[in-house]
Amino acid sequence: NAGVTQTPKFRVLKTGQSMTLLCAQDMNHEYMYWYRQDPGMGLRLIHYSVGEGTTAKGEVPDGYNVSRLKKQNFLLGLESAAPSQTSVYFCASSYSSGEWGTGELFFGEGSRLTVL
Amino acid sequence: SQQGEEDPQALSIQEGENATMNCSYKTSINNLQWYRQNSGRGLVHLILIRSNEREKHSGRLRVTLDTSKKSSSLLITASRAADTASYFCATDGGLKGAGSYQLTFGKGTKLSVIP
Repeated sequence: NAGVTQTPKFRVLKTGQSMTLLCAQDMNHEYMYWYRQDPGMGLRLIHYSVGEGTTAKGEVPDGYNVSRLKKQNFLLGLESAAPSQTSVYFCASSYSSGEWGTGELFFGEGSRLTVL
Repeated sequence: SQQGEEDPQALSIQEGENATMNCSYKTSINNLQWYRQNSGRGLVHLILIRSNEREKHSGRLRVTLDTSKKSSSLLITASRAADTASYFCATDGGLKGAGSYQLTFGKGTKLSVIP
C-alpha cells in the first residue's frame, strides 16, 4: 500500500521556468492538500481540494495553480518559478470531514524544490 | 498566519525522561491534532482530540486540551532516542458541524532525546 506518493522528490529550476508536482493517493480519500514548509515557518497551506473537479485557495496560493481531474491525483503547478518558491512541498490526503472537522492527514515524503 | 504556536521551540532531554510540548491557538476549533516529523521525512499523525474532549492517550502519548485557555499539551513519557523529531500541532478552526476542510499548523517543537 503506497499511501501518498509525490513526484519528483527533488527538482532545481531557473527563475521563470515552469513545472508540475504530482501527488497520487491510493486510499480513496476525498480531500487532498498541498502545503509548503520553510525553515522557521512551519507548514502553510497552498491549495486544497474537497473532491474530484474541485479546488480552493489556502493561505499562500499566489504563484501556484492546481488541478484535480481524477480523485486520486492532485497536481500543483508553478507557471513562472521565483526564488521565493524554493521550499519543501508536501501533499496530504484525508477522509471526508465529519461532525468534528478535518480528520487525520496522510502525508507524502515531500518534494524539494530549488529555484535559482 | 499560523493558528497554533508550539512552545518550546526546541527541547533537549535524556532518554527515559518525559517530554512536554505545548500548543496555543487563537480561535475556536473542531479538533486539534499532533504530528511528528523525522528529519527529511513527511509528517506522521499521532493523535486527534476533539473540542469536547479534555484528555486522550495513545501508548506513551498523552494529549490534553483546554478550550477555555485555547491550549493543548503533548506529553511523551519514558522518551527514547527514536522519539527525536519535530512535533507539530494542527487545528481545524471551523464551526462544529461545518469543518473548515483544512488544518492550520504551528511552527513545531524540535525534540532531541539524548541516549
